[in-house]
Amino acid sequence: DGGITQSPKYLFRKEGQNVTLSCEQNLNHDAMYWYRQDPGQGLRLIYYSQIVNDFQKGDIAEGYSVSREKKESFPLTVTSAQKNPTAFYLCASSTDGSYEQYFGPGTRLTVT
Amino acid sequence: RKEVEQDPGPFNVPEGATVAFNCTYSNSASQSFFWYRQDCRKEPKLLMSVYSSGNEDGRFTAQLNRASQYISLLIRDSKLSDSATYLCVVNVGFQKLVFGTGTRLLVSP
Repeated sequence: DGGITQSPKYLFRKEGQNVTLSCEQNLNHDAMYWYRQDPGQGLRLIYYSQIVNDFQKGDIAEGYSVSREKKESFPLTVTSAQKNPTAFYLCASSTDGSYEQYFGPGTRLTVT
Repeated sequence: RKEVEQDPGPFNVPEGATVAFNCTYSNSASQSFFWYRQDCRKEPKLLMSVYSSGNEDGRFTAQLNRASQYISLLIRDSKLSDSATYLCVVNVGFQKLVFGTGTRLLVSP
């Protein structure tokens, strides 16, 4: 089955620790995206990548880092510099030139 | 002004009712518009794209009004399974989308 997978579904970390969220897709999509969603707020774009080995900052990139070494994979690292990391993190992908984005099931990160 | 604005609801309707949501957007250069559905604690799922001429998919109809900069979603013959949050989504640049905060729909028996 084609789709986007994110792991883990739930993640708990202590303050001061970096954590990496996984996102993999087998849809052969060129573009991939990371969003975070907080209660009562719309999705906010963290980073996006249109092609392997290239990525751009979104609206709230501070405290996050990404890599795009393979077309299928776009991991997100939440660093200790991110002030409010507890959120629902969603990865999405789209074909080149299309605005239709398809989402993975998300990772709920809780940092205490 | 927010880039995308939606009435948060909730809209409480009985099964079988017709319900409509509107969404306004601020960027007149936007070209692509979508409605996504999001169930509680799940990922958003693409419901339908919104075309200039309007489009229909079964019980769902989406319309675009460029002059007034709003899009609408009409749901006919509401089902219990339609209960969800509906997100209005608009492109604001190359490969960049802005998501509204959503309108919550509750369909009751």
